[in-house]
This record gives sequence, C-alpha cells and structure tokens, in this order.
Amino acid sequence: DTAVSQTPKYLVTQMGNDKSIKCEQNLGHDTMYWYKQDSKKFLKIMFSYNNKELIINETVPNRFSPKSPDKAHLNLHINSLELGDSAVYFCASSRPGLNTEAFFGQGTRLTVV
Amino acid sequence: KNQVEQSPQSLIILEGKNCTLQCNYTVSPFSNLRWYKQDTGRGPVSLTIMTFSENTKSNGRYTATLDADTKQSSLHITASQLSDSASYICVVTAGNTPLVFGKGTRLSVIA
Repeated sequence: DTAVSQTPKYLVTQMGNDKSIKCEQNLGHDTMYWYKQDSKKFLKIMFSYNNKELIINETVPNRFSPKSPDKAHLNLHINSLELGDSAVYFCASSRPGLNTEAFFGQGTRLTVV
Repeated sequence: KNQVEQSPQSLIILEGKNCTLQCNYTVSPFSNLRWYKQDTGRGPVSLTIMTFSENTKSNGRYTATLDADTKQSSLHITASQLSDSASYICVVTAGNTPLVFGKGTRLSVIA
C-alpha cells in the first residue's frame, strides 16, 4: 500500500564509505525527487527526475549520483561519505502539472561517524 | 531570489487553543502555495493548496488564507489537539522551477 517507500530507514556508516538509498513509488508518477533535510529541519531539493531523465541538479557534490532504472525508482548513491552528509534524505514523487502535490517517503536518516 | 519565510520558528500552545502560522514569500512567477504537515520521523504531507485566485481554503480544523498582493499566507488551526504537534511547512511553486520550501514552524500542543 505504501505510496513512496525508501530503504533503509536508518543508515549509520563511517566516513569514506559508499552507500545507497533506494526509493520506489507505486503511484504511477512521472517525476521523482530527492530532498535533504538538515539538522535545522530545512528541506532542500537535490535532484529531480522526469521519466528517468535528470531535470534538476541543485549544486549537489558529484559524490551524490542518482540513478533511475525506471520511472518508478530513483536511487541515491553517495560515494566517499563525509560527516556533513549526515541528514535525513527524503524521496518524493509527483505527477506533471503546476498544481500537483508531492508525495514524500518516510525518509532515511543517514549518520556518518 | 525565490524565498519562503515562515514565522514563528516554534510555538507552544495549550490543547484546545487556536493558533495562526505565517508564511511570506518572494517567488515569481507564482503558481500555488501548499501547507504541509510533517510529523516527527515522517515525510511531509499536504494539508491545503492555494492557487492565485483563492483567498481561503479549509481542511477540517485547518484554514489557509492567501493574499497574493502582499504575498502572504497563513495557516489557522482551530481547537488544537495533541496530534497537531508537528512541523508545518509552507511550500511555493514557481512556474517550472523546483518547489521552494520554508524552514517550517515547529508546533507543540501540550495538555
């Protein structure tokens, strides 16, 4: 039943490691997003994909690489993790259109130690 | 630069009381404004959407207002409940650009 699901929900890892966060949506939406919510609870967009194609990349370090194998999935790979990468990462999806609503996953809390 | 400012940053109220959260935006061209509720440990969920021509919209005990001239919106919560404790985020859509998020207001409703 889950509309937008992310795994894992929690991720603790050491600096320098490479990790991935998976996201899947069963809403039939064309557009998917990754957002980062920092310790101050501010949500900031990282990437947006429409029909498997990257349409937004908001000055995110190239250690972050999204991959969309199909329009229902948008995974986030992070290389050489740094302490500052610790945050909650949210996946979201929406239909095309200006008044569309973004549906969010429950978030992945990443802690880099 | 597209920005969304919210106030207050945090608010504590007694159960049963009303409260109003504010959102000011400098976003162009304006498409719509949504209020999202984010419970602790969860993703944001949309409460209301306001388009340019709408002034007021209600969703149960939540009433959102929009003044497109002054670029201000408010979210009024009536007869607050403990379950209203959450962060409330104002999000503005500007044309085809990414959603512009405010930093949110953290509301705590206490018994």
